[in-house]
Amino acid sequence: DTAVSQTPKYLVTQMGNDKSIKCEQNLGHDTMYWYKQDSKKFLKIMFSYNNKELIINETVPNRFSPKSPDKAHLNLHINSLELGDSAVYFCASSQGRWGANVLTFGAGSRLTVL
Amino acid sequence: AQKVTQAQTEISVVEKEDVTLDCVYETRDTTYYLFWYKQPPSGELVFLIRRNSFDEQNEISGRYSWNFQKSTSSFNFTITASQVVDSAVYFCALTNAGGTSYGKLTFGQGTILTVHP
Repeated sequence: DTAVSQTPKYLVTQMGNDKSIKCEQNLGHDTMYWYKQDSKKFLKIMFSYNNKELIINETVPNRFSPKSPDKAHLNLHINSLELGDSAVYFCASSQGRWGANVLTFGAGSRLTVL
Repeated sequence: AQKVTQAQTEISVVEKEDVTLDCVYETRDTTYYLFWYKQPPSGELVFLIRRNSFDEQNEISGRYSWNFQKSTSSFNFTITASQVVDSAVYFCALTNAGGTSYGKLTFGQGTILTVHP
C-alpha cells in the first residue's frame, strides 16, 4: 500500500483550463502539505494543513486553492492554468506540525500546461 | 529568513569513488533540524536523515555518512564506494524546531549526482 498517493501522476492540459490533483495518505498523519518543484528542481512549500486547518499559505496566486476534506486527504485545485504552472507538485504528510517531524512525500504529479 | 545552499549543481564520479555533497545553511533560530532527501530518477523524494541542532555527532549508515558542523553551518553528506544506484538528485533541507515552523522545509537547490559504471 502506497503511504502517500497522488493522482494523476501526469497531467497535460491547455492554458486557461481548470484542473485538480488529489492526494491521500494512509499513515494516520494529521498534517499534509503541497510542495512545488520547478523545472530547475527547486522545491518550495505552497500550503500545509493540520487537522483540516490551513496553517501555511505561502505567496501563491489565488488561482491555487487547496482543500482538505479530512485528515487523510488534501486536494489542490488550480484555476485558469498558465504556462508557468508547469511543474511537479508533491504532496507530503507528517505526524504533527513541528519542525522535527519527517515528511513522507508522494511520487509527485507532473503538470504540463501547453 | 532561512537559507540552504548546495553549491555543487552537478557531480559526476565513477563507481567505487567516494563523493561528498556539501550543504551550508543560514538560520537565526537556535534550535533547528536539518534533513537530507534523495530524489532518484523515478522522481519520488526519499528521506535519508534528520539531525537536530544540538546533536553534532557524525552519523554513519552503511555507505552513507553525515558530518554536521555548527561552527561552519554545514551539514555535508558523504557516500563511500559509490554505486550506480546512488545516481539521484540530493536535497539538503532546514526547518526550525518551534511550533511556528509547521513542518515547513527550506530546501537547497539540489545536487545532481551521476555515478558511472
